[in-house]
Amino acid sequence: EVKLVESGGGLVQPGRSLRLSCTASGFTFGDFALSWFRQAPGKGLEWVGFIRSKIHDGTTKYAASVKGRFSISRDDSKSIAYLQMNSLKIEDTAVYYCTRDRRNLLTSYYKDSWGQGTLVTVSS
Amino acid sequence: SSDVTQDPAVSVALGQTVRITCQGDSLRNYYASWYRQKPGQAPVLVIYADNNRPSGIPDRFSGSSSGNTASLTITGARAEDEADYYCNSRDSNGEDVLGPGTKVTVL
Repeated sequence: EVKLVESGGGLVQPGRSLRLSCTASGFTFGDFALSWFRQAPGKGLEWVGFIRSKIHDGTTKYAASVKGRFSISRDDSKSIAYLQMNSLKIEDTAVYYCTRDRRNLLTSYYKDSWGQGTLVTVSS
Repeated sequence: SSDVTQDPAVSVALGQTVRITCQGDSLRNYYASWYRQKPGQAPVLVIYADNNRPSGIPDRFSGSSSGNTASLTITGARAEDEADYYCNSRDSNGEDVLGPGTKVTVL
């Protein structure tokens, strides 16, 4: 069974840093790209960024709202993806989800598994 | 990145059919995927590559696309289909584009 578990959320002051983890099981972690999404309280989903598999160079992409502050990395030996969040703002308060990414056609990408999310609250 | 748009909310009578649409230029070049999110839960994939259902998703869910528009149709809506639905695609920069979501209410 594919499973993704996010951890590391909590209360943090504006301007500080926090690192989230996404621990995977049930599949060959290194073969897949992974994404992070977030959802502010009462709001819609927002894409945060993704990291490709090492076979696709492990490159990353980020949403404009987090570019330069957030970074995604992966440790395939531990089956963990990380979301490093720096210079946090109040508007970064959200539930953060990680996903396993699939591609079945040249122009078809989708997220077939989602974790349950971890809440990050940025407040003084 | 380019945007995709969705109607904020639609309603459907129990047992009837509802179509949710997603519009954006990126949909001319990339397939859409659709996600259902119930309150307090993580999203779940319901359709990918326009009209493919993952295992476990009932066949009352179907998808289609034409030009810059992708659609998700629920045929014979049930009370448990009440949720927020999001479309997702990619843009020419290789970044994800995500619709703002459509709230489906089953009457």
